[in-house]
Amino acid sequence: DIQMTQSPSTLSASVGDRVTITCRASQSISSWLAWYQQKPGKAPKLLIYKASNLESGVPSRFSGSGSGTEFTLTISSLQPDDFATYYCQLHNNYFRTFGQGTKVEIK
Amino acid sequence: EVQLLESGGGLVQPGGSLRLSCAASGFTFSSTGMSWVRLAPGKGLEWVSAISNSGDITNNADSVKGRFTISRDNSKNTLYLQMNSLRTEDTAIYFCAKAPYSGSFYFDSWGQGTLVTVSS
Repeated sequence: DIQMTQSPSTLSASVGDRVTITCRASQSISSWLAWYQQKPGKAPKLLIYKASNLESGVPSRFSGSGSGTEFTLTISSLQPDDFATYYCQLHNNYFRTFGQGTKVEIK
Repeated sequence: EVQLLESGGGLVQPGGSLRLSCAASGFTFSSTGMSWVRLAPGKGLEWVSAISNSGDITNNADSVKGRFTISRDNSKNTLYLQMNSLRTEDTAIYFCAKAPYSGSFYFDSWGQGTLVTVSS
């Protein structure tokens, strides 16, 4: 099975900071990667699909990049509403594996 | 507006069974695949089970293989998860999630979840 590893597990940042979260696959997954945001007690929300495609309605401060085995989610200027846990997800034909999550906390 | 409403969660003893349902509205249910994803206490998201739009193709995570069965009734716009031989480690919030179109495998809409607690 393909493993998805996120780093860091926790990130402390301030409003206005540029934030980058990394997701690595144990083997090449082309661009089959999605990113989600989840807040406590809420359902996950799709941010990015196919590595770099911004979901409709998601603010443009969110962006995704990468291919193969290394991917990044960038928040260009962190806003108060962005403090949450972020997950990457492999979405190819069979596997739908999630990374273990990155919690973005207030510094 | 897409709506996914899970039900059927609750407290069950180890070894017991439970059936979850997810009522869908606001989109053509029969046109897209669906999945169940869970969030255990203190853990991250875990994909559990998936089914194709017509119901003829299913797959499950290794952690639930042989114990959980996903199904759907397109005439009732409803997704199901039959959970048997439940273990304490199955305790989690279970979300149903919709793929945006047939043949896609990420999730553009989610329900609010239903809590399953496995405990004696």
